[in-house]
Amino acid sequence: DSGVTQTPKHLITATGQRVTLRCSPRSGDLSVYWYQQSLDQGLQFLIQYYNGEERAKGNILERFSAQQFPDLHSELNLSSLELGDSALYFCASSAPGTENTEAFFGQGTRLTVV
Amino acid sequence: GENVEQHPSTLSVQEGDSAVIKCTYSDSASNYFPWYKQELGKGPQLIIDIRSNVGEKKDQRIAVTLNKTAKHFSLHITETQPEDSAVYFCAASPYGGSQGNLIFGKGTKLSVKP
Repeated sequence: DSGVTQTPKHLITATGQRVTLRCSPRSGDLSVYWYQQSLDQGLQFLIQYYNGEERAKGNILERFSAQQFPDLHSELNLSSLELGDSALYFCASSAPGTENTEAFFGQGTRLTVV
Repeated sequence: GENVEQHPSTLSVQEGDSAVIKCTYSDSASNYFPWYKQELGKGPQLIIDIRSNVGEKKDQRIAVTLNKTAKHFSLHITETQPEDSAVYFCAASPYGGSQGNLIFGKGTKLSVKP
């Protein structure tokens, strides 16, 4: 158990809908990262938050957004869903500082868009 | 931006043999190179990492080597066991201290036959 909790584990929704994925980082970790894993694209970095502020952006679509709350949990919002958004979405967290910043991954949320 | 290539995509070995997975990266600014193991239904788990000021690192049956000049790094697993069967990902971080923003290779599915 990595200590990173993601809910829900599975989500099935229709095209055009909006969903919210939730992540609770490890205790004490200030950084939260979101990754998308699909068969054709592999693991792709989406976005990073650090202590409530957006720190870095990767290949995140405009239809997707994220935020990190004062209690440090994070939510990834996916809207106007398309079939191609079906994927595993992982959240990871890491401790503050430049040393020992291993990223711990959660179990993921499997999103299926039908 | 950074691009990470990983080979082979699948690897099958007999129990007790060694396995080698190779990765190349494009951004000479990358300075952190972790390797993750992903078992079915789980999130990626860090198994070993190396920083750019080190050429080799070993942890029991696992070792990683880094050649900065050639921009490639490799994972070596000796005396493989069936429980080593999983998908292995290499990654590179081009963001210095923010080392969770990882660019991943496409993964290698390792099968260890008893």
